Amino acid sequence: AQSVTQLGSHVSVSEGALVLLRCNYSSSVPPYLFWYVQYPNQGLQLLLKYTSAATLVKGINGFEAEFKKSETSFHLTKPSAHMSDAAEYFCAVIRFSGGYNKLIFGAGTRLAVHP
Amino acid sequence: NAGVTQTPKFQVLKTGQSMTLQCAQDMNHNSMYWYRQDPGMGLRLIYYSASEGTTDKGEVPNGYNVSRLNKREFSLRLESAAPSQTSVYFCASRATSSYEQYFGPGTRLTVT
Repeated sequence: AQSVTQLGSHVSVSEGALVLLRCNYSSSVPPYLFWYVQYPNQGLQLLLKYTSAATLVKGINGFEAEFKKSETSFHLTKPSAHMSDAAEYFCAVIRFSGGYNKLIFGAGTRLAVHP
Repeated sequence: NAGVTQTPKFQVLKTGQSMTLQCAQDMNHNSMYWYRQDPGMGLRLIYYSASEGTTDKGEVPNGYNVSRLNKREFSLRLESAAPSQTSVYFCASRATSSYEQYFGPGTRLTVT
């Protein structure tokens, strides 16, 4: 069954530094992958999605992710961190089950950005 | 267009009390979902509804019931709250033609 693993529950970067949040997936079929962001005391907002089109996916707020089948990875990056990027980030994969599809989430990575 | 709305935003219950969490969406989506979020565990699916009139169990359904009242509304009921149900609850919806889910702002529930 499809699943995702996020490496690192906490990541801390300096403002202006590269952001790299890691996600590896497990899937026996071509996966549909997502990154969501959760700002403090808010719901989840979709950052970007991979649905088997271009392997480099651009999202909102300057984030992008690259689908690498050989590495079963879908890491999230941003060239230059901003203080407003501090949030929790979730990688997710669609699991197809019994005719329905469900989003399966990773445990999340909390990003801290310091001056 | 409010998207997905949830009420209440906060709730404190005593063990054994019951309550219903409300969710509504105005995007004409067929599918709706209830998740709970606990530290270090991401979001886990409690129940989902693929269309009006249908509901199915997710990963962690024990202690919960749901009602898909109509296409817009999907409620989650705790019949006898337990401290283990202290969590943040999110409702989400999805259009049939898309895999993207839209989330509400959440309900923070504490059971003492």
